[in-house]
Amino acid sequence: KAGVTQTPRYLIKTRGQQVTLSCSPISGHRSVSWYQQTPGQGLQFLFEYFSETQRNKGNFPGRFSGRQFSNSRSEMNVSTLELGDSALYLCASTQGITNEKLFFGSGTQLSVL
Amino acid sequence: GQNIDQPTEMTATEGAIVQINCTYQTSGFNGLFWYQQHAGEAPTFLSYNVLDGLEEKGRFSSFLSRSKGYSYLLLKELQMKDSASYLCAVRNDYKLSFGAGTTVTVRA
Repeated sequence: KAGVTQTPRYLIKTRGQQVTLSCSPISGHRSVSWYQQTPGQGLQFLFEYFSETQRNKGNFPGRFSGRQFSNSRSEMNVSTLELGDSALYLCASTQGITNEKLFFGSGTQLSVL
Repeated sequence: GQNIDQPTEMTATEGAIVQINCTYQTSGFNGLFWYQQHAGEAPTFLSYNVLDGLEEKGRFSSFLSRSKGYSYLLLKELQMKDSASYLCAVRNDYKLSFGAGTTVTVRA
């Protein structure tokens, strides 16, 4: 069974640009959640989608948005990039039950210059 | 809000035992997870506790006390490959809140 796939693996952008990251969950998983990881803040929850609906959202500004498609694939978008958005963005998937372990992808390393 | 605390760094010798403590104060609780993350890699699942007590899985054990808001991860017979960051995370509904992680360095 293929794992969680995130693309691209690395991305370099400049301030003010926007970026879209993609995540394909494990086959059969309907929940996708996104996390931002930085050395100073650790892993911070961005949002979680289940069956194309956002079920939960973290404390990030509206520049961070996401969506989920009918095949459970998810994208997250960051508009008007800031230097502080440089981070590893991790996607995780589960079947959607609260006590399930999350399966993480390898992440997208975003650098904003 | 969520407040999850764990030590920043720990160092131990190969073959020894290390205990990583995690204390939490969260607005809800659906379970506590421990993840391992090697540098440059994705976090991988180690253990899950939802009821009080000890869960043992090979060289790794995890303990939970819900009344005290406390958990620990015990790593036995340390190996060099155990050098990694260990993340404590509390599940509340569909959201997982992570501690900052404990970097464990295993010395020969």
